[in-house]
Amino acid sequence: DAKTTQPPSMDCAEGRAANLPCNHSTISGNEYVYWYRQIHSQGPQYIIHGLKNNETNEMASLIITEDRKSSTLILPHATLRDTAVYYCIVRGTQGGSEKLVFGKGTKLTVNP
Amino acid sequence: EPEVTQTPSHQVTQMGQEVILRCVPISNHLYFYWYRQILGQKVEFLVSFYNNEISEKSEIFDDQFSVERPDGSNFTLKIRSTKLEDSAMYFCASTGDTYQPQHFGDGTRLSIL
Repeated sequence: DAKTTQPPSMDCAEGRAANLPCNHSTISGNEYVYWYRQIHSQGPQYIIHGLKNNETNEMASLIITEDRKSSTLILPHATLRDTAVYYCIVRGTQGGSEKLVFGKGTKLTVNP
Repeated sequence: EPEVTQTPSHQVTQMGQEVILRCVPISNHLYFYWYRQILGQKVEFLVSFYNNEISEKSEIFDDQFSVERPDGSNFTLKIRSTKLEDSAMYFCASTGDTYQPQHFGDGTRLSIL
């Protein structure tokens, strides 16, 4: 089972920031938080990942709380093309399982 | 930007037939994966492959499934004697190292009749 909890759906107005929360209260010290999204039936698309520091790339920002029990993915200026299912996944990177365990994610709908 | 490519995009096969799904991972990647997604359900891990060996497999990956890296560029998933419940999207993924993110192809839609 997925080690994360996400709201099943969210709406956002085009041009506004989309803030997608994720709870991962059982995360362990060597586990990273990964975010992927799936647009319609396409393959999951990698967005961003982080361990404990906040991260930013050209797609999004990832804010991880100090206790690492939750995080927020921020799409700063959402567009209609950002409508997708967003998955928050916790996974270790040193030894252990390499598999990504997908939950049901958050279906983000960006409205015009 | 380099990407994972999968062929065919859609495969229709009669129940009981063998099917081979093909993937070309990103060229310098060393770790390869197959996942599947039954319509309306979660993406599920099937198998991971490194150094010409299976490194991990799920309960779904039973004796009817096999994987192979027949040459330096392709990574294949073979399903022997397909069943109706094998109908799903099959995604290939690759990564350069286990601390790097996995990158996915756009999948093969497998329909078993």
